[in-house]
Amino acid sequence: GAGVSQTPSNKVTEKGKYVELRCDPISGHTALYWYRQSLGQGPEFLIYFQGTGAADDSGLPNDRFFAVRPEGSVSTLKIQRTERGDSAVYLCASSLSGGSPAGDEQFFGPGTRLTVL
Amino acid sequence: LAKTTQPISMDSYEGQEVNITCSHNNIATNDYITWYQQFPSQGPRFIIQGYKTKVTNEVASLFIPADRKSSTLSLPRVSLSDTAVYYCLVGDGSSASKIIFGSGTRLSIRP
Repeated sequence: GAGVSQTPSNKVTEKGKYVELRCDPISGHTALYWYRQSLGQGPEFLIYFQGTGAADDSGLPNDRFFAVRPEGSVSTLKIQRTERGDSAVYLCASSLSGGSPAGDEQFFGPGTRLTVL
Repeated sequence: LAKTTQPISMDSYEGQEVNITCSHNNIATNDYITWYQQFPSQGPRFIIQGYKTKVTNEVASLFIPADRKSSTLSLPRVSLSDTAVYYCLVGDGSSASKIIFGSGTRLSIRP
């Protein structure tokens, strides 16, 4: 079956620009997660959705980062006024229920590599 | 938050059993222990999860001692395709923000 997909696979932008990264979770998965992964590091939690609502956004580094999931399926991570330090791979994952975020098996997408010049 | 400590890297040979140990001294009563595998240019992939004692699936085994302050992922008879980064996670099932991947263990398998 189809897994988690993310678009674009690569995004190059200039400092100060706005970007949107898209995640299509596995159909039927109610929980969706965004992570950021820098080179040589493990994924770093950003935000978690249960359905349409952000159940935990404590990982977002500042107010330039925002994410939505208006219909409880596709999610978009939005970054305003990008900075060079935002360069990383942004990973999306989904899980079936999300009732136990740290216990549920998460299915990851391939990520979007963001480069801010 | 329960922090994990793993070896930065490990080397082994095809056909060998590989054991990767993760320390989590501050593990809480409700925390699960989960291991993920990540290949280059891919997202992590769930391997195994446990709470205590031993768990085995078709891919690996997870050994957890009684005090739960550490856990060991065991990969039987590794092949070149097992070359990847392995992450140990310790998390309270109630909170997504407590999912901490750490830096992982880079496992290299040689012929």
